[in-house]
Amino acid sequence: NAGVTQTPKFQVLKTGQSMTLQCAQDMNHEYMSWYRQDPGMGLRLIHYSVGAGITDQGEVPNGYNVSRSTTEDFPLRLLSAAPSQTSVYFCASSYSERDGLFFGPGTRLTVL
Amino acid sequence: AQTVTQSQPEMSVQEAETVTLSCTYDTSESDYYLFWYKQPPSRQMILVIRQEAYKQQNATENRFSVNFQKAAKSFSLKISDSQLGDAAMYFCVGGATNKLIFGTGTLLAVQP
Repeated sequence: NAGVTQTPKFQVLKTGQSMTLQCAQDMNHEYMSWYRQDPGMGLRLIHYSVGAGITDQGEVPNGYNVSRSTTEDFPLRLLSAAPSQTSVYFCASSYSERDGLFFGPGTRLTVL
Repeated sequence: AQTVTQSQPEMSVQEAETVTLSCTYDTSESDYYLFWYKQPPSRQMILVIRQEAYKQQNATENRFSVNFQKAAKSFSLKISDSQLGDAAMYFCVGGATNKLIFGTGTLLAVQP
């Protein structure tokens, strides 16, 4: 199993550009989520999904869109990047709440 | 709202000694889960230990154990026989209903 994979590993954008961070898992987990990690603030939940076709907002959803068309994939879209979105982004999946989260390796995004 | 608080931004321990990292949480949920995650310099998030709130027995995983005080809403992590490889950022995580909340982290240094 590859676990949770994320692409790209690094990305630099200009303000106003759009892009999609890809996330995939091969563990047949129904739950998937996106977090952002900023210095001194831990990880904050952006969006999450409890299954294909079902998504919901987390703590910091503004500026981000998600969709879940398959169990395996959960892309995160930035429609118009802003410098405040400079961060490290983690995708995670889980079989159940009690199992905790399996994380991808993260994407470091810089918005100039 | 759920909150997780780690009041120790940094800690240091001598190799082979024991260290305890503190965490307090607040939730109105009756069924929730608590975790400790480790993030080494590689950036990968690694699950260290988990605790189900309805279980009174403290969880143990090899050199890692927790002290779960439900009434006090306290969830500390004890690392015994500290090793150089334990040096990392440690996050206390808690939550229910698929919304896990992270603390701000404790950076642990291990001195040889």
